[in-house]
Amino acid sequence: AQTVTQSQPEMSVQEAETVTLSCTYDTSESDYYLFWYKQPPSRQMILVIRQEAYKQQNATENRFSVNFQKAAKSFSLKISDSQLGDAAMYFCAYRSAGGATNKLIFGTGTLLAVQP
Amino acid sequence: SAVISQKPSRDICQRGTSLTIQCQVDSQVTMMFWYRQQPGQSLTLIATANQGSEATYESGFVIDKFPISRPNLTFSTLTVSNMSPEDSSIYLCSVERGYGYTFGSGTRLTVV
Repeated sequence: AQTVTQSQPEMSVQEAETVTLSCTYDTSESDYYLFWYKQPPSRQMILVIRQEAYKQQNATENRFSVNFQKAAKSFSLKISDSQLGDAAMYFCAYRSAGGATNKLIFGTGTLLAVQP
Repeated sequence: SAVISQKPSRDICQRGTSLTIQCQVDSQVTMMFWYRQQPGQSLTLIATANQGSEATYESGFVIDKFPISRPNLTFSTLTVSNMSPEDSSIYLCSVERGYGYTFGSGTRLTVV
């Protein structure tokens, strides 16, 4: 079975600085998708970024980018120019590309604080 | 992306009672997912609901405790039955649409 591990329960960053959140996963599959979701205090889950495993190029969405290392099964999220609104719980998630179900498997989350 | 309306947003319930949570999606979807998020924890999948068939439950979750209905391709309900304080959690529904997954706004359940 696939597992997702986030080893940093909490992180803190100064406003305008850069922070990297770590995520590792375990799978025997070769084709899959990886996601980062953000959950602010409102508890609404917001998609931050998605990476397809077959793509070598790292995904980027404005200030958010990933470092996808397939061989190492690592998928870190870099947030540049951090803003107060980035403060939230961040979840890394895995989805198989095949199979009968396309459920998401979540990591334990990293709580990010942004200091003014 | 899909828009999901989830109700109720929160409730406080007496132990031993049941609560039904509803999710309405603005377009047809094949699968709907129900998650539980215990306080300070991550999201754990309860079950996958397909229209026209029985829901598929994850290990540790049973139909008698969490019955699910899926009468059509835009609607689903999750019932939390015979509640105990351990059921106090946030419950979220989700669908896959396009680039990623969309989630309802969650139901914060407190059992007293």
